[in-house]
Amino acid sequence: GQQVMQIPQYQHVQEGEDFTTYCNSSTTLSNIQWYKQRPGGHPVFLIQLVKSGEVKKQKRLTFQFGEAKKNSSLHITATQTTDVGTYFCAVMGSGGYQKVTFGTGTKLQVIP
Amino acid sequence: EAQVTQNPRYLITVTGKKLTVTCSQNMNHEYMSWYRQDPGLGLRQIYYSMNVEVTDKGDVPEGYKVSRKEKRNFPLILESPSPNQTSLYFCASAPGGAETQYFGPGTRLLVL
Repeated sequence: GQQVMQIPQYQHVQEGEDFTTYCNSSTTLSNIQWYKQRPGGHPVFLIQLVKSGEVKKQKRLTFQFGEAKKNSSLHITATQTTDVGTYFCAVMGSGGYQKVTFGTGTKLQVIP
Repeated sequence: EAQVTQNPRYLITVTGKKLTVTCSQNMNHEYMSWYRQDPGLGLRQIYYSMNVEVTDKGDVPEGYKVSRKEKRNFPLILESPSPNQTSLYFCASAPGGAETQYFGPGTRLLVL
């Protein structure tokens, strides 16, 4: 099935520092989604990227989809304690199938 | 309020005792899915359903059954639970395809 690698697994940052997580696939993706899961909570949809080279912003969050549609990144500028949680990317199966594969997630800790 | 509900939220059971985890959504979504979440493995898809009476396997379907007799409900059935099915389970739904999923609060299952 579809495989996607997500790095790093963990990241500790001082409040105010930037943070980036990456997802990489060996195959071309039709699209990619990003989710955030707060500690003890459930995943919450953040955004979907569809076009090659697409860049989308949500306040301090910047999402990018690679030109070859094989990788994506989520960058948080000037982290805050409210950014704590695990960030997941998710990709769909090829051929229009609706099977979903999640990355293993990046757990972000923000030190006040 | 638009939501995905799961019951029970916590369950302790013994090996071999059949159990059902219910999932219901009130958003008239066509797509529903079950995931399990284990430390270090992220979210793995168990089964998904594109619509009533249409279900398909995810990446880890062994030991699980599902049914979609009504659009709003998507129960997860463990016919003979085993300790390796101890996990945190999430149900999710989406309006059309799997691109934008709304997750339930999760069900924490312990199989002794």
